[in-house]
Amino acid sequence: ETGVTQSPTHLIKTRGQQVTLRCSSQSGHNTVSWYQQALGQGPQFIFQYYREEENGRGNFPPRFSGLQFPNYSSELNVNALELDDSALYLCASSPEAYNEQFFGPGTRLTVL
Amino acid sequence: RKEVEQDPGPFNVPEGATVAFNCTYSNSASQSFFWYRQDCRKEPKLLMSVYSSGNEDGRFTAQLNRASQYISLLIRDSKLSDSATYLCVVNRGNYGGATNKLIFGTGTLLAVQP
Repeated sequence: ETGVTQSPTHLIKTRGQQVTLRCSSQSGHNTVSWYQQALGQGPQFIFQYYREEENGRGNFPPRFSGLQFPNYSSELNVNALELDDSALYLCASSPEAYNEQFFGPGTRLTVL
Repeated sequence: RKEVEQDPGPFNVPEGATVAFNCTYSNSASQSFFWYRQDCRKEPKLLMSVYSSGNEDGRFTAQLNRASQYISLLIRDSKLSDSATYLCVVNRGNYGGATNKLIFGTGTLLAVQP
């Protein structure tokens, strides 16, 4: 096990709603990255937080937002949910912003 | 064109076979390279990092050719438990503090048959 935890494990929402996903990084890790994995695809980078600051963002609209707390845990917020947001959301932690990343079990989001 | 390209498979092989996966990447600024393994409906798990000198971990051997922008993974003596999706991953982050973002291929599905 990587020591990275995510909650909830599964979530069902309807279009237009808002969702918050949570991630606790492995002890000693100060960097959290978030990825979206649609069915049959590889994970796609959403953004990264390093020492509580956003440290880069992928090609996702502003309705995807996040933050990192002083204990390095992190949240991913998605507003105005769309059907295409249905996916497995993965967070990954690393000890610094440029090390190997270790993934949590993911949150499976279904938007109806 | 995708930044990291892999043959999606599936590769169906008998137990004991040797199987090779290939991957190409398009951004020559890529800094580090990995193979991740992903079981069905689970998270990706780091299998091994890939170095220009090549590296081996038991039955697994990974190679990187920077000139050709090509990465490979060889699995010898396949086991039933090797059945999974193998993801080729490239990191364009650099050690100046730029974003350490992993770029994944779509994955290659391996099914080892008894």
